[in-house]
Amino acid sequence: EPEVTQTPSHQVTQMGQEVILRCVPISNHLYFYWYRQILGQKVEFLVSFYNNEISEKSEIFDDQFSVERPDGSNFTLKIRSTKLEDSAMYFCASWQDRGTDTQYFGPGTRLTVL
Amino acid sequence: AQKVTQAQTEISVVEKEDVTLDCVYETRDTTYYLFWYKQPPSGELVFLIRRNSFDEQNEISGRYSWNFQKSTSSFNFTITASQVVDSAVYFCALSEAGSGNTGKLIFGQGTTLQVKP
Repeated sequence: EPEVTQTPSHQVTQMGQEVILRCVPISNHLYFYWYRQILGQKVEFLVSFYNNEISEKSEIFDDQFSVERPDGSNFTLKIRSTKLEDSAMYFCASWQDRGTDTQYFGPGTRLTVL
Repeated sequence: AQKVTQAQTEISVVEKEDVTLDCVYETRDTTYYLFWYKQPPSGELVFLIRRNSFDEQNEISGRYSWNFQKSTSSFNFTITASQVVDSAVYFCALSEAGSGNTGKLIFGQGTTLQVKP
């Protein structure tokens, strides 16, 4: 069964450093998303991406964040200058057709900012 | 505005008991989708069910059943004869489907279910 993959599974970084979280969505999917989950809290929407551009972003997704789909398979989330409060689990999701089926989530990347 | 409320933060039951997890949602859209996801201790999000707003039929899948009631904006989830392996955090989520919507999921706070042997 096709699945969404994410790398790395765990990333530790120093405050102020840039990180790139990588995702490979399911190949025939059209809609892509990033969510985050601070430990013990709910899953929060960050950004949606369709047709090679951002279709919606939350207020969490400020200028420090960016997304790219550079080669038609990878979907990346970059945090330019990490803060302690960016420590969270980051989930990538993809959806083939919003009229049917569901969003499939990757296993997540746990980001720890020291 | 869209919102999902899971008022039960934690529920603890003994194995074989039935348990219902509540979910109440708010949306202005007439077309929307509702979801339940399970998050076991390993952390991944496991899809359980999706419901379209125009389909109010209840659904049963093995020990799991879902009760969707538009009149009360609720989408409750019942586990019959609970098992220890059901211990997890369960999230209810909403996605508005009207024109201009991007399909983002709005999650509730989650209910932590502990099933004791």
